[in-house]
Amino acid sequence: GENVEQHPSTLSVQEGDSAVIKCTYSDSASNYFPWYKQELGKGPQLIIDIRSNVGEKKDQRIAVTLNKTAKHFSLHITETQPEDSAVYFCAASIRVSNYQLIWGAGTKLIIKP
Amino acid sequence: NAGVTQTPKFQVLKTGQSMTLQCAQDMNHEYMSWYRQDPGMGLRLIHYSVGAGITDQGEVPNGYNVSRSTTEDFPLRLLSAAPSQTSVYFCASQKQGRGEKLFFGSGTQLSVL
Repeated sequence: GENVEQHPSTLSVQEGDSAVIKCTYSDSASNYFPWYKQELGKGPQLIIDIRSNVGEKKDQRIAVTLNKTAKHFSLHITETQPEDSAVYFCAASIRVSNYQLIWGAGTKLIIKP
Repeated sequence: NAGVTQTPKFQVLKTGQSMTLQCAQDMNHEYMSWYRQDPGMGLRLIHYSVGAGITDQGEVPNGYNVSRSTTEDFPLRLLSAAPSQTSVYFCASQKQGRGEKLFFGSGTQLSVL
């Protein structure tokens, strides 16, 4: 079946440095790629998304890039802050399930002071 | 606005018991869905609904039932609980469906002994 792979599973960076999380997807018909942030004890919240007709999207310190040919997309967080510590999930829409989302396994981001 | 409200927050069941997880949203969203979250596996779609009276299966529907009699409510029923159903369950809603932001509830932590 279709899947989304996410790496790394844990990422530890110094406060102020950049963090990059990468995902690859298998369905060439996927056209929507969101990123969600989940804080402890809460449900995931959308932080940024990108559609297949766009290569890059930025929102302040967060950016997402998409390479359709290679079927991978990445989340970039610059100037990391303690409040960026959380679990981040990528997802991709899957054609065979009416474009519902298939999710990556998550990346635990730790910001060291 | 309360957003998406899930009850209960915690539940312990014995094998074979049945129960209903409640989910309500006050945003007049058409789409609602149920996910389970297991360590190292991200989110997996159980069932979803595109509107009142319409439901469909997701990735892992076995052992669960849903119904959607109103726009606001989307309960998830465990018919005969099994230890494999120990998980954190999230309900989510979307305004129109595919390619739109998911609003998640705060989750129900379920343990089946």
